[in-house]
Amino acid sequence: GEDVEQSLFLSVREGDSSVINCTYTDSSSTYLYWYKQEPGAGLQLLTYIFSNMDMKQDQRLTVLLNKKDKHLSLRIADTQTGDSAIYFCAVEHGSGNTGKLIFGQGTTLQVKP
Amino acid sequence: NAGVTQTPKFRVLKTGQSMTLLCAQDMNHEYMYWYRQDPGMGLRLIHYSVGEGTTAKGEVPDGYNVSRLKKQNFLLGLESAAPSQTSVYFCASSGTDQETQYFGPGTRLLVL
Repeated sequence: GEDVEQSLFLSVREGDSSVINCTYTDSSSTYLYWYKQEPGAGLQLLTYIFSNMDMKQDQRLTVLLNKKDKHLSLRIADTQTGDSAIYFCAVEHGSGNTGKLIFGQGTTLQVKP
Repeated sequence: NAGVTQTPKFRVLKTGQSMTLLCAQDMNHEYMYWYRQDPGMGLRLIHYSVGEGTTAKGEVPDGYNVSRLKKQNFLLGLESAAPSQTSVYFCASSGTDQETQYFGPGTRLLVL
């Protein structure tokens, strides 16, 4: 079945850039998403990219999509301590208009001051 | 506009007990979802609904039932709780544009 893989942990220094990577298997996904989860909270949509795009930039966030390699990345510029959280990659799954998502395991981002 | 709300926030059950988790959304969304989150496994879809009166199985439906009698509510039931159902449960909803799913704050369930 559909599989979404992420590395589990990333540590960066405040002010550096963070790059979180994700690979997936379902090439038919129309939308690909990045969610952020802070401790004890639900998931918050950070950004998404449509499958016919290679790149999307939104303030400090840059999403890169390589459809050939089925690779999605999230770059956070000038990472701040408030960016410390778990980041989930998610892709649409299955045919039909259901909105079902398959999530990666989540990458814990630790930002050191 | 409260978004997606979940009740209860936390619950402890004994093995074999039953309970219902309630999800409510006030955004007039068609689609609603129930996920469980376990350490190191991300979120896994339990059941979902594409409209009032309809439900469908997700990735891990066994041991759960759902109902969508009203468009704004999506109920998740555990008929006979097992320790393996200890988890954090998240509800989400989305409109037909599917550009985003809005998540509730989660329900922490501990089954002893």
